[in-house]
Amino acid sequence: EAQVTQNPRYLITVTGKKLTVTCSQNMNHEYMSWYRQDPGLGLRQIYYSMNVEVTDKGDVPEGYKVSRKEKRNFPLILESPSPNQTSLYFCASSLSGQGVNEKLFFGSGTQLSVL
Amino acid sequence: DQQVKQNSPSLSVQEGRISILNCDYTNSMFDYFLWYKKYPAEGPTFLISISSIKDKNEDGRFTVFLNKSAKHLSLHIVPSQPGDSAVYFCAASSRASYGKLTFGQGTILTVHP
Repeated sequence: EAQVTQNPRYLITVTGKKLTVTCSQNMNHEYMSWYRQDPGLGLRQIYYSMNVEVTDKGDVPEGYKVSRKEKRNFPLILESPSPNQTSLYFCASSLSGQGVNEKLFFGSGTQLSVL
Repeated sequence: DQQVKQNSPSLSVQEGRISILNCDYTNSMFDYFLWYKKYPAEGPTFLISISSIKDKNEDGRFTVFLNKSAKHLSLHIVPSQPGDSAVYFCAASSRASYGKLTFGQGTILTVHP
C-alpha cells in the first residue's frame, strides 16, 4: 500500500531533550516536506527536500533540522525542543514537487507536546 | 504575513445544498492552487487543483473557480453530503519557488443531515 509513515504518533517530551520524528514513504517520490499545524494558523511549511541531499527552508524552519540521505526517509530533528514547538506535525511527499505533480501525500501526523 | 487566507473559520450547510468555501491570496506569483480535505486524526488528502491558466476545474461534485484579478478562489461542493464534513485547506505555489507550498488557515465544514 502506497503510504507516508510517521513515527511516533504521539510524543511528550521536556524542554531541551533532543528528539527525532521519522518519516518514510514507499512511493519512490522525489519530494518530501514537513509541516506543522497550529490552531488559527493552518499548515505551515518547516523544511522541504526536492531530492536526496537537497533540502531547503520553508516558512518556519527555526529550531528544526532535517536530512535527506536516502530517497525514502526524511527525519525531522529538534535539537533542543521548546514549548512553542508543541504542535501537530505532518510529513508529506509528492512525485516531484513541481507543477501538476504537486499533489501531496500526507502521513497521519505526530502530536508533539513539549513541557 | 498570511499570503493565503481563508477568512471563514467554519461553515454549516444542509445536506443536498451547495457548500462554497473561499480563499484569498496576496502573492501575485502564485500560479497553482490546490484544495485539501482533512478528517480528524488523519493527514490531509488532496481534493482538487487548478492552474492559473484556467478559471475553472471540475471533478464530480467538486468545482474550483479561480479569479486571478481578484486573487480569489473558491471550492463548490454540490450536492453536499454529511461525509464531506471536514476541515478544508486551500494551498498555493509558485513556479518561481519550486517546493514551497503555502496553506491557508482552514475552514471547518459541517454538513447536517
